[in-house]
Amino acid sequence: AQTVTQSQPEMSVQEAETVTLSCTYDTSESDYYLFWYKQPPSRQMILVIRQEAYKQQNATENRFSVNFQKAAKSFSLKISDSQLGDAAMYFCALVRGNTPLVFGKGTRLSVIA
Amino acid sequence: ETGVTQSPTHLIKTRGQQVTLRCSSQSGHNTVSWYQQALGQGPQFIFQYYREEENGRGNFPPRFSGLQFPNYSSELNVNALELDDSALYLCASSLGTHSGANVLTFGAGSRLTVL
Repeated sequence: AQTVTQSQPEMSVQEAETVTLSCTYDTSESDYYLFWYKQPPSRQMILVIRQEAYKQQNATENRFSVNFQKAAKSFSLKISDSQLGDAAMYFCALVRGNTPLVFGKGTRLSVIA
Repeated sequence: ETGVTQSPTHLIKTRGQQVTLRCSSQSGHNTVSWYQQALGQGPQFIFQYYREEENGRGNFPPRFSGLQFPNYSSELNVNALELDDSALYLCASSLGTHSGANVLTFGAGSRLTVL
């Protein structure tokens, strides 16, 4: 079975500062994908970043980057230059092959002006 | 391109009733997945439809059922509603069943309250 754990129920960051959200996972597979999704109050899940497990290089998307540690089964999200619009629930998710996404319980991020 | 749209956005039902939730997939997508998100939790996979057939199911009882139509839109039906069915129901579409290679596009969900 695959599991995803997000140990930080809530985090806060000052506007323009950097914050890191943690995620650990467990899978017996060697080929899988990891995701970070953002869910603002509008409720729609928005893909933030995707990492393919066979790729050594950490994924980046503008102000968002990940620290993917395959051996440690860790997949943290770093948000640089935080903006008010970054305030949301963030979900880490894992998938392999044709199996469905498995989500963590989420981290609520607040951005303080 | 149009995204994923879900209806209704909010609804209230009583225990024992039946509900139908609807989802229009993103243009060009042929696969629809449904997730249940209870308050304070991450989404849980209910089932997936591909080419009008159920293609995988999570740990949900048979009173959760679905359909996919030739235009790839989908319905989620829940019979004999229970209080624990209160949740946000998310629909996601994709091109193909591989949820890693084919990124899911989510709708804004239908918020169901069971009294």
